[in-house]
Amino acid sequence: GENVEQHPSTLSVQEGDSAVIKCTYSDSASNYFPWYKQELGKRPQLIIDIRSNVGEKKDQRIAVTLNKTAKHFSLHITETQPEDSAVYFCAASRNFGNEKLTFGTGTRLTIIP
Amino acid sequence: EAGVAQSPRYKIIEKRQSVAFWCNPISGHATLYWYQQILGQGPKLLIQFQNNGVVDDSQLPKDRFSAERLKGVDSTLKIQPAKLEDSAVYLCASSLVRGTSGGYEQYFGPGTRLTVT
Repeated sequence: GENVEQHPSTLSVQEGDSAVIKCTYSDSASNYFPWYKQELGKRPQLIIDIRSNVGEKKDQRIAVTLNKTAKHFSLHITETQPEDSAVYFCAASRNFGNEKLTFGTGTRLTIIP
Repeated sequence: EAGVAQSPRYKIIEKRQSVAFWCNPISGHATLYWYQQILGQGPKLLIQFQNNGVVDDSQLPKDRFSAERLKGVDSTLKIQPAKLEDSAVYLCASSLVRGTSGGYEQYFGPGTRLTVT
């Protein structure tokens, strides 16, 4: 089955700096890669996703890049703000998300004011 | 639109007891998922329903866990008997069914935090 690895497990950055979280996946048939943000005690919420037919997607301060050959994808957050502090999970799925999501182990991001 | 509803929000039981969780997905969402999230880990899929049929239950410990979605709307997940290692947050999620031309989003409920003592 699919295996998703995520690094780093914790990340602290100064407010205003950029943060990068990286994930690798094992199943070459995976073609849908969402990123979820989970604040303490709250539900995971989708912040951005990418399908395998594109290499990059951007939404304001958040961007995701995908390298299908290397089977890795990354989340980039620019101009970080205190409200970006949370746990971020990457995930992978086949069939453009119509099959189960396999999640990474999470990255706890702390923005230092 | 109303979100995914789950109850109870918290449950404390002793090992070997039984427990049941309830989920009501977003109206019109055909696909329903139950995930187990152990502290410090990512969610792990237990079971996926498409309407009232099971799509994937390969990671469901069937000797103690069961789930049903009889009318294709709300769902219940049961654990009997519970073990200490079942302590986790149980998340329900739902999504629309779309064709392969587009991805989809899974909307998560608030979860049920289970503590087994």
